Amino acid sequence: AQKITQTQPGMFVQEKEAVTLDCTYDTSDPSYGLFWYKQPSSGEMIFLIYQGSYDQQNATEGRYSLNFQKARKSANLVISASQLGDSAMYFCAMREYSSASKIIFGSGTRLSIRP
Amino acid sequence: EAQVTQNPRYLITVTGKKLTVTCSQNMNHEYMSWYRQDPGLGLRQIYYSMNVEVTDKGDVPEGYKVSRKEKRNFPLILESPSPNQTSLYFCATADREETQYFGPGTRLLVL
Repeated sequence: AQKITQTQPGMFVQEKEAVTLDCTYDTSDPSYGLFWYKQPSSGEMIFLIYQGSYDQQNATEGRYSLNFQKARKSANLVISASQLGDSAMYFCAMREYSSASKIIFGSGTRLSIRP
Repeated sequence: EAQVTQNPRYLITVTGKKLTVTCSQNMNHEYMSWYRQDPGLGLRQIYYSMNVEVTDKGDVPEGYKVSRKEKRNFPLILESPSPNQTSLYFCATADREETQYFGPGTRLLVL
């Protein structure tokens, strides 16, 4: 069954440090996509990064990179050189392409950056 | 400017009074979706639409209806709202590169 797990409800990180947010998933569909979103306290959902199951290389977008380990079914988000503005909720999500186009989200990780 | 708009942004209503939350996009995206967000549960998909006149249930469709009569609009209808539908609702659209663009959200309180 389609499932996304984020095991870190909250994290504190010192400014300028790198941070890894964990995400594991479960699917039997060979074709799927993985996403990360940021939700600041203002409430809007901001798309960060996307990884397709057939992509050979890990996705990167500026300070964001996705550590995709297919065999372990993990898709961790890495934020390099964290900034105060990175404090937010972060959600991992997955979409299966073969069977349906439902999208499921994890329960989220609240990241707090300390100055 | 590319955007997804939702109306209303805030709504307080009473049990059983039908309501509609509108969603409109100007990006010509085929895929549109509705989510509800509740504390500790993340976002859960209510309904999604792959194209005009094509809609499918997400994980929590009970108590909701949708329609996709035209590409740009995807309204969410609560025929008889109940207090357990009090939530934050997001509409979203997706392009072929899978980037999902979210609306600003609608906070609904059902008394």
